[in-house]
Amino acid sequence: RKEVEQDPGPFNVPEGATVAFNCTYSNSASQSFFWYRQDCRKEPKLLMSVYSSGNEDGRFTAQLNRASQYISLLIRDSKLSDSATYLCVVNRNFNKFYFGSGTKLNVKP
Amino acid sequence: DVKVTQSSRYLVKRTGEKVFLECVQDMDHENMFWYRQDPGLGLRLIYFSYDVKMKEKGDIPEGYSVSREKKERFSLILESASTNQTSMYLCASSSSGGHVEKLFFGSGTQLSVL
Repeated sequence: RKEVEQDPGPFNVPEGATVAFNCTYSNSASQSFFWYRQDCRKEPKLLMSVYSSGNEDGRFTAQLNRASQYISLLIRDSKLSDSATYLCVVNRNFNKFYFGSGTKLNVKP
Repeated sequence: DVKVTQSSRYLVKRTGEKVFLECVQDMDHENMFWYRQDPGLGLRLIYFSYDVKMKEKGDIPEGYSVSREKKERFSLILESASTNQTSMYLCASSSSGGHVEKLFFGSGTQLSVL
């Protein structure tokens, strides 16, 4: 079983839509959780960390459910510039990072 | 802002050549990593280093070696490049201190082995 699993998509949504991605992780000892954004042929960039209480950054909201071992990312009012691949990343110990394969989002005019 | 710099954005090498990929970070991070990313396979860890001269194998170390002589620099070496090492190579660094350890990536090196 993979450490981190994501639906690869693609999610095709119109501008202004709300879209949500989920990610599940297999190891309950996982400690830190992140969403990264990766544009085509570019490096992953940190979008936001995910905290147990849930956190919001503008149009983006991340949630963590430790009991069910899943992480979610909600994007409100989608923009064309949100089109990218979103990677779920889980950290266990200081140097163990596990990556999902990414969820592709296409926001269309 | 953390800056992780990879020496080349694109490289084309021939089978059997020795290839050096260089990575430098400017935030005094203890941990440095080399990943490769292939379509459908996601990011896979090749090697990581948690201190100068210290290294540990990741998930796919075969055909690679690394060097960390200085804290800010982590080099990936392909001793004898092969076509199946054609890939996007990503260097990353993170700190060992603090509450939440985040990974910061370099801009990647797209390596083609012909």
